[in-house]
Amino acid sequence: EAGVAQSPRYKIIEKRQSVAFWCNPISGHATLYWYQQILGQGPKLLIQFQNNGVVDDSQLPKDRFSAERLKGVDSTLKIQPAKLEDSAVYLCASSLDRLAGGHNEQFFGPGTRLTVL
Amino acid sequence: QKEVEQNSGPLSVPEGAIASLNCTYSDRGSQSFFWYRQYSGKSPELIMSIYSNGDKEDGRFTAQLNKASQYVSLLIRDSQPSDSATYLCAANDYKLSFGAGTTVTVRA
Repeated sequence: EAGVAQSPRYKIIEKRQSVAFWCNPISGHATLYWYQQILGQGPKLLIQFQNNGVVDDSQLPKDRFSAERLKGVDSTLKIQPAKLEDSAVYLCASSLDRLAGGHNEQFFGPGTRLTVL
Repeated sequence: QKEVEQNSGPLSVPEGAIASLNCTYSDRGSQSFFWYRQYSGKSPELIMSIYSNGDKEDGRFTAQLNKASQYVSLLIRDSQPSDSATYLCAANDYKLSFGAGTTVTVRA
């Protein structure tokens, strides 16, 4: 079974530029998550999708971050304009179904390391 | 604010010893708990999940859960150099809240 795919793996941009990340979850997984992991910290949830609907975006900086999952499969996360403090690893994860008995095992993709100069 | 706290590291153990990792959580609504292993420069890898009070063993790993005390632990028996990584504890209440991680170094 293929895992969660993400691209690009690395990205370097100047501040105020825009950037987009792509994620393809494990086949059949209804729930998709985007996390931000700053060096030395645990992952922080940015947004959670159930199929193509947003169920939690409470920690997404909506003035600059946006995400979509139009057909309930692939997802993109965009930052516009980027700030220095956005330098982090952006992780995508998926699970079968967040409502499946609360177990909700999540599996992570390889991540995208973003450096903002 | 749902918080997950892990014992501060780094934790250094000799090869063959037991590494003990601890985690507490604040949200009593959390239903399941996970331990992820993260090698440097890599993404988190799920190694253990536990849903009920008590112990759960999987190979050299044992997870323990005590919901009354809001406490989760992970024991790594017969530690190997390949176990050197950061271990992340996560609590699930329909979304995961992660601790900052504990870095384990197994010295040969």
